[in-house]
Parts: sequence; C-alpha cells; structure tokens
Amino acid sequence: AQTVTQSQPEMSVQEAETVTLSCTYDTSESDYYLFWYKQPPSRQMILVIRQEAYKQQNATENRFSVNFQKAAKSFSLKISDSQLGDAAMYFCAYLLIQGAQKLVFGQGTRLTINP
Amino acid sequence: ETGVTQSPTHLIKTRGQQVTLRCSSQSGHNTVSWYQQALGQGPQFIFQYYREEENGRGNFPPRFSGLQFPNYSSELNVNALELDDSALYLCASSHGPVRYDQPQHFGDGTRLSIL
Repeated sequence: AQTVTQSQPEMSVQEAETVTLSCTYDTSESDYYLFWYKQPPSRQMILVIRQEAYKQQNATENRFSVNFQKAAKSFSLKISDSQLGDAAMYFCAYLLIQGAQKLVFGQGTRLTINP
Repeated sequence: ETGVTQSPTHLIKTRGQQVTLRCSSQSGHNTVSWYQQALGQGPQFIFQYYREEENGRGNFPPRFSGLQFPNYSSELNVNALELDDSALYLCASSHGPVRYDQPQHFGDGTRLSIL
C-alpha cells in the first residue's frame, strides 16, 4: 500500500525557534518526488519545498530544509527562525513518476507559533 | 499570470442531489487534478485530466465524474450525494506531467456541505 504517515497531529514552537515535522512514507517504487505543502486557513495548498528521490542532497529553501533518508523512507521538514506566518497545516506528500501522477498525502500536522 | 480559480467557494446540498464544481487552470496549464479533503484529513486523489482525457483515477465510485474542456478548464460532477461527500474539493493544475520543476498549483477549493 502507498501511504504517508505524519505522526505528529499538532506541534507548537516559540517564535524564532526551530521546529521539525516528521514524515514517513511507504512505496515500492524507486522514482518519486517528495513534497511539503502548507495549508493556511485560506485553504490553498502552498508548496513549501520539494525533493527528488534520486538526489541524496537535502533540499533547502530559505528557512525551510528537509532531512531525506531514502532507506528509512523518512522525509522530515525543519523550519528555522519560526515566524507567526508559518502557522498552518503542513502536509507531506509523495508523487510517483510513473503512471497517473497523483499526490499521496499524509494526514497533516497543525503547527502553532507562539509569540 | 492568473492562478487556479475554483467556483463556487462554498456550496450546500442535500442527500441525493447532484453537484458540479468548476476549476479554471492556471494559464498555460493543460493538466488538471481533483482532490477530496475531508475535515481533518489530507487530500485524496479523485482523478486527473490531461488534454481532455482522463489520465488516472483514485479509489472513488463512478458517481464521481469529470470533464476537461478545450481551454483546459475542468468540472467535477458528483451524483447521488451522500453525507460522506461533505469535504473541501481541491483542483490543481500543471503544465503537462507533474515533474520536479513543474509542480501542481492548487486553487482555494470548494467547500461542499451535504445536509
């Protein structure tokens, strides 16, 4: 079965601190992409960061970085210098390259930023 | 460049009715995917259209159907509505097959409530 597990339903962090959101996934495929999306109350899914599975180097986008462990099928998101605007639901997802390119999402982690 | 727009924003229906949701893809995008996001869950893939043809389908019954038009806008139709169909319906578009450098762009969704 193709699944994504986010084991932390809720997380909170002090403004300016660092927080890590966990994600594990299960697929028998070797070629896929991994994504973290942010969904604020406005409902739109906003792409935060992406990673190609065949690249060992961890992706970074400004204050956002990932720790990609392919053998362990783990893809965690680290947010540095947390800001109030980072408060949202965060979804981990993967996309198989072959066949219908559907995103398989986890159940999400609600991130609260404490001022 | 206009983004992905969905209409209506919110809709209330009763069991047994039929509903049509609409999506205008981002300019230049010829691939549209639809997702259902139940409250407190991650989105689930319904189906994808590429150049007016269905290009993959998730685990949804046939009463969920779709169309893509020559201008690449799309409709999601749901017949015989059930209470469990209450959800946020998200549309995402991309230019061709989704790739690392061509991720999907999401709309703000349509909130469907079934009474």
